[in-house]
Amino acid sequence: QSVLTQPPSASGTPGQRVTISCSGSSSNIGSNAVTWYQQLPGTAPKLLIYITNQRPSGVPDRFSGSKSGTSASLAISGLQSEDDADYYCAAWDDSLSGRVFGGGTKLTVL
Amino acid sequence: QVQLVQSGAEVKKPGASVKVSCKASGYTFTSYDINWVRQATGQGLEWMGWMNPDSGNTGYAQKFQGRLTMSRNTSITTAYLELSSLRFEDTAVYYCARQSYMDVWGKGATVTV
Repeated sequence: QSVLTQPPSASGTPGQRVTISCSGSSSNIGSNAVTWYQQLPGTAPKLLIYITNQRPSGVPDRFSGSKSGTSASLAISGLQSEDDADYYCAAWDDSLSGRVFGGGTKLTVL
Repeated sequence: QVQLVQSGAEVKKPGASVKVSCKASGYTFTSYDINWVRQATGQGLEWMGWMNPDSGNTGYAQKFQGRLTMSRNTSITTAYLELSSLRFEDTAVYYCARQSYMDVWGKGATVTV
């Protein structure tokens, strides 16, 4: 039921590269910047990527964001055990005049 | 350091109202919007709305129109979210976050209806 569509789960082994997709439409991802958040269990979300591909200070360069048309992706390289978390994408939606989130992706580091 | 400190847990009956606070410190309160996001247990993030602490202008998600009020007291650098006509499904953790891309988050306030 989320406006942005993410796969519910993803997995990888330590050292691998994984990508998480986020699909939207012309009114959100297609025309606005995308942000990504990481949420560890029992904690508040943490900003990972803003303005589609910018990393806040302190976020490792293993995390990167990209966008093409109405879809966006979060890539995590050199996967580590501490990356085991939920990941959410978000964007402003011009039609709804509000921010919308993806349903979240649970990343499991095997 | 930049931080947002939220009020404590609340337990309310259906039909009542709840007011959650978010005190900002470490930056100029009036220079950044405040967003509110909620999360029911085991569910995803849901954006509720934004407020400009300088002007007091607000924007609410359509879902909450009519029962959501965001306000602020600039003298104590505190933003507020008030939700009325509470329903069981409003049970969630309510977060405040700074500016449009939400770079700083409060720890959340649990509201149980």
